[in-house]
Amino acid sequence: DTGVSQDPRHKITKRGQNVTFRCDPISEHNRLYWYRQTLGQGPEFLTYFQNEAQLEKSRLLSDRFSAERPKGSFSTLEIQRTEQGDSAMYLCASSPPGDRVNTEAFFGQGTRLTVV
Amino acid sequence: AQTVTQSQPEMSVQEAETVTLSCTYDTSESNYYLFWYKQPPSGQMILVIRQEAYKQQNATENRFSVNFQKAAKSFSLKISDSQLGDTAMYFCAFTNVYGGATNKLIFGTGTLLAVQP
Repeated sequence: DTGVSQDPRHKITKRGQNVTFRCDPISEHNRLYWYRQTLGQGPEFLTYFQNEAQLEKSRLLSDRFSAERPKGSFSTLEIQRTEQGDSAMYLCASSPPGDRVNTEAFFGQGTRLTVV
Repeated sequence: AQTVTQSQPEMSVQEAETVTLSCTYDTSESNYYLFWYKQPPSGQMILVIRQEAYKQQNATENRFSVNFQKAAKSFSLKISDSQLGDTAMYFCAFTNVYGGATNKLIFGTGTLLAVQP
């Protein structure tokens, strides 16, 4: 297993376009997280999936953002009608089962979005 | 709401020397985990060290150790024998572990560490 994989690594889009990012977690990990990191800041939580269920969404996740995790495997994050303020690094992380013991999150390399 | 504060935006250390990065946090929970993550220019967050709040013994991982002061809500990272490869952004992070918690991470704003040859 090569770890958490994110695609694409970089995306440049024009304002108003829709973009979709993909995350493939480590295969036995049932928990999956999306974070957003803007320049000079720490990552901020966006949403959490346990298997295929989206159990928590941050207020940062406006109605232009939608995330899915069909069949509890890979996940997609879509941003509709992109704005310049959406420019950021989007990080995906996964964790194994066991919320009290296995707390380590394994991160992908991120997708850097630039909205022009 | 839980918060994590890193008051040192940038730090510099000579190769082979020791450096300490500071982190404070705020929570009303009694059990939780604290982490230090390293983010090199490639962008991938890499776990450096982890501390469970109810364990009084400070965690160590090779050249990395923490000073966990629960009452003061302080969690500093000490890097001994600094190496050029330690140059990176370092983030302090917190997560709850009560039943039903999502284990989402709350990060500080980071400290950029530069190891000088």
